Amino acid sequence: SQKIEQNSEALNIQEGKTATLTCNYTNYSPAYLQWYRQDPGRGPVFLLLIRENEKEKRKERLKVTFDTTLKQSLFHITASQPADSATYLCALDYGSSNTGKLIFGQGTTLQVKP
Amino acid sequence: GAGVSQTPSNKVTEKGKYVELRCDPISGHTALYWYRQSLGQGPEFLIYFQGTGAADDSGLPNDRFFAVRPEGSVSTLKIQRTERGDSAVYLCASSYSGTQTGELFFGEGSRLTVL
Repeated sequence: SQKIEQNSEALNIQEGKTATLTCNYTNYSPAYLQWYRQDPGRGPVFLLLIRENEKEKRKERLKVTFDTTLKQSLFHITASQPADSATYLCALDYGSSNTGKLIFGQGTTLQVKP
Repeated sequence: GAGVSQTPSNKVTEKGKYVELRCDPISGHTALYWYRQSLGQGPEFLIYFQGTGAADDSGLPNDRFFAVRPEGSVSTLKIQRTERGDSAVYLCASSYSGTQTGELFFGEGSRLTVL
């Protein structure tokens, strides 16, 4: 079965720096990969989707890369702000199914200090 | 409403009791998902509806869990004979079509505590 690993330790960075979060998977390469943001006590909010044939995707200060050889996605937040502090979840499709259902990583908590 | 609505936001019950959690998806979204999230973990898939039918219920942990979506809109997750291990946040999400391209729109969740 597919396994996803995100760094379980919190990432603490200074405001203005670039935050880089890692998502590694162990089995088949997904057709796409998504990143979500989750604030305490709230539901996840979709941020970005990247497909298996895309190397990089950008949206404002966010950048996602997808390396199917390394079985890894990197999520970057440039010019980070305290408001970026949250838990970030990586999610993959279930492979052969075409239902859109996702398997999530455990998330990495980002803390941006002013 | 504009987003996915879940009720109740919090539910405290005693072991052995029956619980119902309700989800009202975004209007027009045909796909509806239930996930469960334990503290410090990512959401775990439970069941997926496409329209009125349960297209995939492979994530339901056992037969105490059941979900319905009789009119293709609102869904109810039902848990019988609750156990302490059922305590978690139950998240509902919907999407336009349930295809590979769909992002999920989540509700705020129903926090279930079984004493």
